[in-house]
Amino acid sequence: QKEVEQNSGPLSVPEGAIASLNCTYSDRGSQSFFWYRQYSGKSPELIMFIYSNGDKEDGRFTAQLNKASQYVSLLIRDSQPSDSATYLCAVYNQGGKLIFGQGTELSVKP
Amino acid sequence: DADVTQTPRNRITKTGKRIMLECSQTKGHDRMYWYRQDPGLGLRLIYYSFDVKDINKGEISDGYSVSRQAQAKFSLSLESAIPNQTALYFCATSDFDILITDTQYFGPGTRLTVL
Repeated sequence: QKEVEQNSGPLSVPEGAIASLNCTYSDRGSQSFFWYRQYSGKSPELIMFIYSNGDKEDGRFTAQLNKASQYVSLLIRDSQPSDSATYLCAVYNQGGKLIFGQGTELSVKP
Repeated sequence: DADVTQTPRNRITKTGKRIMLECSQTKGHDRMYWYRQDPGLGLRLIYYSFDVKDINKGEISDGYSVSRQAQAKFSLSLESAIPNQTALYFCATSDFDILITDTQYFGPGTRLTVL
């Protein structure tokens, strides 16, 4: 089992819809969770982080964390074609390492 | 100007050659990292450094070495490049915060091709 798992996609949603990206992790002691966006050929860009159970909202983005289920998600409301990218989940584990999932490719169709 | 810069941005080299990738940062962060990214495999940590005197191996350090010349500079070397080291290489920096831990910021990347 990979330490951080994401569906590779591609996930395709119509413009204006809600995109839901999911991530599970295996280290139950993990404390901090990050979402990065990466456009093709570019570097990962931090969208948001979360470390408490529940929801954290930032503009059109909402991160949701459920430590009991070892699950973190990212919702993108009112999806735009410019949101089309690969989204990387990263988990800071008990060993002090930031572990990345393989990323989910999102395609927002006009 | 970018906070984290990498040189070169693109490099084509031949098997057996030594190559160095350089990373500089103006963020004032103590921690620096080198990752490689391959399609379908995500980002994998090669080496990391928490300060100038601290160097640590990541999950895929074989075939690579690093040098932390100063707080702002961290170089990655491939002593004898091989084709399966063809990848996109990223440098990252972070400033440890006890509340939110290790938020990492990435450089623009170096695309390396080994023929």
